[in-house]
Amino acid sequence: KNQVEQSPQSLIILEGKNCTLQCNYTVSPFSNLRWYKQDTGRGPVSLTIMTFSENTKSNGRYTATLDADTKQSSLHITASQLSDSASYICVVSAGTGGFKTIFGAGTRLFVKA
Amino acid sequence: DADVTQTPRNRITKTGKRIMLECSQTKGHDRMYWYRQDPGLGLRLIYYSFDVKDINKGEISDGYSVSRQAQAKFSLSLESAIPNQTALYFCATSDPRVSGTGELFFGEGSRLTVL
Repeated sequence: KNQVEQSPQSLIILEGKNCTLQCNYTVSPFSNLRWYKQDTGRGPVSLTIMTFSENTKSNGRYTATLDADTKQSSLHITASQLSDSASYICVVSAGTGGFKTIFGAGTRLFVKA
Repeated sequence: DADVTQTPRNRITKTGKRIMLECSQTKGHDRMYWYRQDPGLGLRLIYYSFDVKDINKGEISDGYSVSRQAQAKFSLSLESAIPNQTALYFCATSDPRVSGTGELFFGEGSRLTVL
């Protein structure tokens, strides 16, 4: 069964600190993995995408990694800001063309001053 | 203006009522989707459409119907709403010709409460 599991479920950090969010998946055949950021009351917005051959991708202070062998991904946030408070959703696409998408439940991040 | 617009943003209704959620987009994408988001669960696909003449069921289509009125418009209907359809609903679009990997572009969401 295709599944995407994220941990932790929620996380509280102080402004300026770093954090790492985890995503484990059992999706086959793998096409790509995206991390989305969802602010409260808003729709998700794509942060990064990685295909099978990529093992790291950065977008500003966000760096995603992918280990296709162990089927794990992480999202590292550097020097957190209050605006980073949001849910972060790991999404894995399967199949040819990556049409079938499986969403993780998300990690809720709270950044405190 | 948002590229993907959903109306209404919030709706409270009673059991048994018919509800329509509307979605319009200015991105020019052919593919449109309706998802449902519940606390503690990942987004789940209700229906999707690859063009005006194409409608497909997602993983949780029971109790829902859709209409693709034009390339830019995709509406979701609940014929007879029930309380367990209380959720946050998202419309999304994609165009694999642009990103090659089907990045989804989401609307702001429609929060539906069924009493």
